[in-house]
Amino acid sequence: DIEMTQSPSSLSASVGDRITITCRASQTIADHLNWYQQKPGKAPKPLIYAASSLQSGVPSRFSGSGSGTDFALTIDSLQAEDFATYYCQQSVSTPLTFGGGTKVEIK
Amino acid sequence: EVQLLQSGGGLVQPGGSLRLSCVASGFTFRNYAMTWVRQAPGKGLEWVSTVRGSASATFYADSVKGRFTISRDNSRNSLSLQMTSLRPEDAAIYFCVKDSSPTAVAGSYDFWGQGTLVAVSS
Repeated sequence: DIEMTQSPSSLSASVGDRITITCRASQTIADHLNWYQQKPGKAPKPLIYAASSLQSGVPSRFSGSGSGTDFALTIDSLQAEDFATYYCQQSVSTPLTFGGGTKVEIK
Repeated sequence: EVQLLQSGGGLVQPGGSLRLSCVASGFTFRNYAMTWVRQAPGKGLEWVSTVRGSASATFYADSVKGRFTISRDNSRNSLSLQMTSLRPEDAAIYFCVKDSSPTAVAGSYDFWGQGTLVAVSS
């Protein structure tokens, strides 16, 4: 199984900050990496697919990068509605696996 | 507008069975693989099972293999998950999820159902 490791597990930031969340795969996955945002009590919302492609309707302050084993999700100018938990997920092979999540909290 | 409307779930005793359902609308259901993802209380996301659009192939996590069965009825735009021999560790919110690619099992999910809670306790 491919293990996905996210860091940090949580972070505190202020509105307007630029933050980066990293995700590392235990083996190479090319660009088969997706990012989701989840708010309490809600279903995850897709943000990015294929490592760097923005899902329809997602604001351009979100961006993804990386390939192989190391990936990053960056949020430029954090907004109040961005405080949530973020998950990466590999889609190269079953079992499809998710990272443990990164909780972004208000400082 | 894509919609995934889930039903089923509830409280069941260990060893019991439960069936989850998901009715889809707003897209050509038969063209897309569908997946169940679960989330235990306060925990992360776990992929459970996927079925191809044509229902020609199914895939399962080792943790549920032999106990859960995923199926679909393309004539009714519906997806199901039959869960048997339920264990306390199966307790979670289960999400019905649509694959993003119409031609292959991409494993990238662009629409999620609202989730349904499964509790396993005596």
